[in-house]
Amino acid sequence: DVVMTQSPLSLPVTLGQPASISCRSSQSLVHSDGNTYLNWFQQRPGQSPRRLIYKVSNRDSGVPDRFSGSGSGTDFTLKISRVEAEDVGVYYCMQGTHWPLTFGGGTKVEIK
Amino acid sequence: QVQLVQSGAEVKKPGASVKVSCKASGYTFTSYYMHWVRQAPGQGLEWMGIINPSGGSTSYAQKFQGRVTMTRDTSTSTVYMELSSLRSEDTAVYYCATHSSSGSIWGQGTMVTVSS
Repeated sequence: DVVMTQSPLSLPVTLGQPASISCRSSQSLVHSDGNTYLNWFQQRPGQSPRRLIYKVSNRDSGVPDRFSGSGSGTDFTLKISRVEAEDVGVYYCMQGTHWPLTFGGGTKVEIK
Repeated sequence: QVQLVQSGAEVKKPGASVKVSCKASGYTFTSYYMHWVRQAPGQGLEWMGIINPSGGSTSYAQKFQGRVTMTRDTSTSTVYMELSSLRSEDTAVYYCATHSSSGSIWGQGTMVTVSS
C-alpha cells in the first residue's frame, strides 16, 4: 500500500499568518492516465470531512482562495495564505492513484 | 439539495454484524462511485472500499476482505456497508462519501460501538 506521510502532526498558527502542510507518498502518484490523484480534506471538530483540493491543485467549489495545493510526484503541499479562526481542524491528504486509496495521518491546525 | 443521509448509531456485541445504510439524493445515484471510510475515536481516516452503484461492482481494502460487504439498491438510491465478526477495534464512525471533479459529498457518519 502507498504510505502517505504528513508533517507536521500539529501546527499552531497565529491568526492572519500563513500555514503550510506537507504530504509525502511512498511512491509516485502519477497515474497511467497522466493525472495525479492527490486530494486534501479538512475535518472541523465534530464534523464530517470536507474536500478542499482535488488532483493536487484544484479547489472545490466554495473553498476560499486562501487555500492552495501544489506539488508533484511524491511531494505535495497545502498552503493557507492567512489563517482564519474557522480553519481550525485536522487536515488530511489522500491519494487516489493506487489501490487501496490511502490517507495521511492528519495535521491538526490550531490557533496560538 | 445533494446529500447523503446515513442510518443511526449502533451498539453491537463482539462477533456480531452491523449494516449501515447511506441514502443519496439530489443527484443521479448511478453516476458516481461510493466510498466507505471509517474513523476510530481520536484517530485518522481509513478507507474501507468502494462500490459502483451502477453495476454493483466492489473493491475492498485488503484489511477488510472477507468481513465487509457493500451493496446497493438503485430503487431507493441507497448503498449499504455490512461488517461482520465485529471486534472492539471496529468501534468507529463510518462514513459514506462520493467524490468527483464536480464535488465531494460525505454522509453525516454513523457511530458503531462494539462492546460486550
